[in-house]
Amino acid sequence: DAGITQSPRYKITETGRQVTLMCHQTWSHSYMFWYRQDLGHGLRLIYYSAAADITDKGEVPDGYVVSRSKTENFPLTLESATRSQTSVYFCASSESAWDRVYGYTFGSGTRLTVV
Amino acid sequence: KQEVTQIPAALSVPEGENLVLNCSFTDSAIYNLQWFRQDPGKGLTSLLLIQSSQREQTSGRLNASLDKSSGRSTLYIAASQPGDSATYLCAVNTGNQFYFGTGTSLTVIP
Repeated sequence: DAGITQSPRYKITETGRQVTLMCHQTWSHSYMFWYRQDLGHGLRLIYYSAAADITDKGEVPDGYVVSRSKTENFPLTLESATRSQTSVYFCASSESAWDRVYGYTFGSGTRLTVV
Repeated sequence: KQEVTQIPAALSVPEGENLVLNCSFTDSAIYNLQWFRQDPGKGLTSLLLIQSSQREQTSGRLNASLDKSSGRSTLYIAASQPGDSATYLCAVNTGNQFYFGTGTSLTVIP
């Protein structure tokens, strides 16, 4: 199916464990983004990628690692999960930087709980 | 840093009413503004995108306006329906990234 898919939809993990959230898009969009959504904070940018092998930090990057070896995939890794990383994580893509024409397209999100 | 505010945080209206959702931003130097809809437990669906040179955009019963100089956008929903119940978010594009508001939760009562 065309679109942007995230997996898993739900994840419970323990403090200190490593966890990876997956994001896959089929449009060959150059730009991909990871956001977290928390009550009272709205969506905040964690990392973004302009192309394969090019990534950069957003507003709240601490505790997260990203990679982009292929254009269509943009995994987000929490190296040592903490309770403050309990959140809903959204992946998004766009055709160009901060797309000035088409805007963003979002995945359905991953709800992560760290216990 | 750009700050985006949406008022009210929650709104409840009877079916059939016309309504306006508000979005304000602190820095008028934006490239565009995008309105999204988010259903509970779901992702964000793009509704309308207004470029900085435009004053408004329309899609069906939705009309979004942009007044860049005053840092405001409104989303007008005509003849509201229960299926419009969702959270509506606006996001402004500064060229470096999109900044999101915290949303307005809309409930349309049948």
